[in-house]
Amino acid sequence: QSALTQPASVSGSPGQSITISCTGTSSDVGSYNLVSWYQQHPGKAPKLMIYEGSKRPSGVSNRFSGSKSGNTASLTISGLQAEDEADYYCCSYAGSSTVFGGGTKLTVL
Amino acid sequence: QVQLQESGPGLVKPSQTLSLTCTVSGGSISSGSYYWSWIRQPAGKGLEWIGRIYTSGSTNYNPSLKSRVTISVDTSKNQFSLKLSSVTAADTAVYYCARGQWLAQYFDYWGQGTLVTVSS
Repeated sequence: QSALTQPASVSGSPGQSITISCTGTSSDVGSYNLVSWYQQHPGKAPKLMIYEGSKRPSGVSNRFSGSKSGNTASLTISGLQAEDEADYYCCSYAGSSTVFGGGTKLTVL
Repeated sequence: QVQLQESGPGLVKPSQTLSLTCTVSGGSISSGSYYWSWIRQPAGKGLEWIGRIYTSGSTNYNPSLKSRVTISVDTSKNQFSLKLSSVTAADTAVYYCARGQWLAQYFDYWGQGTLVTVSS
């Protein structure tokens, strides 16, 4: 299995919106609506931000939203804040396995 | 509040077997709604899924690691474990244990991670 494809980095200014893409295949992202997104600050464990493509866990800001089209899932963060600066990983169920994206470093300018 | 804690040697010699245990507190590891996974992250790199075990004992492994990985569960101790054989320097990473939601397939609780270095 190959890792899902994410841009290595994205950036935005406070208050702006950014979108991180996550491209898989018809064996993972395209076949299941089971994409999750994780935020990871340096030295910390990942934190769940989105599950089942677009659902937010309790306690996660509504500035975070997710969507999917075909083999590509996306995470959008609106109203960027300094605390959003972190690494973001997508993850997809793939039947008998699970696959992560390579990660995207978000810089808040 | 569910908590997961990894434990095990921080240094393993090349060709030996890496063994880690994850202790679950605040909930039963036997609940059928969840599965239990190991995920690793080499320094400065991304997350890599290693494998999972369901409460039934059924397992799935990353195809690239399958020949070297064994995940098992000890319900009496509320623990699950990882064994990775024939390790090399490429297996040096922070290893996380995590709880997965069976139906929706996401990881809602993670351990803090433990660094395992493979070196002689």
